Amino acid sequence: SQQGEEDPQALSIQEGENATMNCSYKTSINNLQWYRQNSGRGLVHLILIRSNEREKHSGRLRVTLDTSKKSSSLLITASRAADTASYFCATDARGSGGYQKVTFGTGTKLQVIP
Amino acid sequence: NAGVMQNPRHLVRRRGQEARLRCSPMKGHSHVYWYRQLPEEGLKFMVYLQKENIIDESGMPKERFSAEFPKEGPSILRIQQVVRGDSAAYFCASSPPKLVNEQFFGPGTRLTVL
Repeated sequence: SQQGEEDPQALSIQEGENATMNCSYKTSINNLQWYRQNSGRGLVHLILIRSNEREKHSGRLRVTLDTSKKSSSLLITASRAADTASYFCATDARGSGGYQKVTFGTGTKLQVIP
Repeated sequence: NAGVMQNPRHLVRRRGQEARLRCSPMKGHSHVYWYRQLPEEGLKFMVYLQKENIIDESGMPKERFSAEFPKEGPSILRIQQVVRGDSAAYFCASSPPKLVNEQFFGPGTRLTVL
């Protein structure tokens, strides 16, 4: 089963509004990351938050992590049409082979209307 | 420093043919990961390789699929006797040694099976 589940599956907002996406996961993690994928393209790494961090900022992005609830949120402030993309969370945890295995969630499709 | 390169970007095969997908990791990266993405879905882990070794192939179908990462040259994902259900985008990512959570993605290969 998927380690990460994003919510909502799709989100449509007006330019200038804030967009919030959530990610829940099942097992203990070391790090959680957010990626963006433009239609038909590869993934672009946005931000990494470690399990001992609660909040992290990068430009217009704000990520929170609540390990007690096994959830994270990605907030994009003052959204732009160029933010239209799918957003995925990815968690890494120690796999059966003793290495850090990264597992991707199902994604949130964000549409920002100009 | 060139990013992760994948070729071809698009590949069309008829049922029963073989598909070979290539991935050249970033310079200095010795870890390669392959993921599959079906339309409107997230990325599903397939296989994790280091030079000349398969570390984790738990996400790869047992039949028809194989992967290698030779000492010299790119990593190859090989799909024999393709079926329509193999149609998907296949992404490769690479990471430097000991930083497997910092994965850099290639642009993907879109495989269409007719």
